[in-house]
Amino acid sequence: TQLLEQSPQFLSIQEGENLTVYCNSSSVFSSLQWYRQEPGEGPVLLVTVVTGGEVKKLKRLTFQFGDARKDSSLHITAAQPGDTGLYLCAGDGNNFNKFYFGSGTKLNVKP
Amino acid sequence: DAGVIQSPRHEVTEMGQEVTLRCKPISGHNSLFWYRQTMMRGLELLIYFNNNVPIDDSGMPEDRFSAKMPNASFSTLKIQPSEPRDSAVYFCASSHDRGRATEAFFGQGTRLTVV
Repeated sequence: TQLLEQSPQFLSIQEGENLTVYCNSSSVFSSLQWYRQEPGEGPVLLVTVVTGGEVKKLKRLTFQFGDARKDSSLHITAAQPGDTGLYLCAGDGNNFNKFYFGSGTKLNVKP
Repeated sequence: DAGVIQSPRHEVTEMGQEVTLRCKPISGHNSLFWYRQTMMRGLELLIYFNNNVPIDDSGMPEDRFSAKMPNASFSTLKIQPSEPRDSAVYFCASSHDRGRATEAFFGQGTRLTVV
């Protein structure tokens, strides 16, 4: 059973489109991270959100942590082929240092 | 900083053989994680260490799997005997406790194929 559910599982869009990826849970997390993984590589940390309601921006990427710290979203504006990859959310639960990863969203941005 | 270093990058072995995967965490990090990634199950936490001590090994699939961390700069994950269903990409990650948030840094992984 996945503690963190991500949706959609797959997303294929044209360059220039906007998209939103969701990460949901019934559990509360002390912090939540978003990672991007490219084929043949390990996940790379994009951002960490800590405070309920927090919004962080990383160029064209906007991350939001839900008010209750149970969910998060990642919004990409004007997607580019370089954004292609597997996006993973991970929650830092009450268990010290134990990360729970979501199932991932596989994004393909076509030129 | 060299990041988390894993070896080998690829391993092909026959069923029944022993496999040892190696990891060097980022210097100064006090937590180390072993994950397994497959298409079917995604990224699964196998075991994690804090200050070289195994804290939670509940994700280790069975007794064929074992992990050690003899010092702060080295860890191994061993599978003995290996089976075809162990084929996956195995990642090592390390982190440093920063209070409210802890962020993991991953190695490039070891792709294991058991035939």
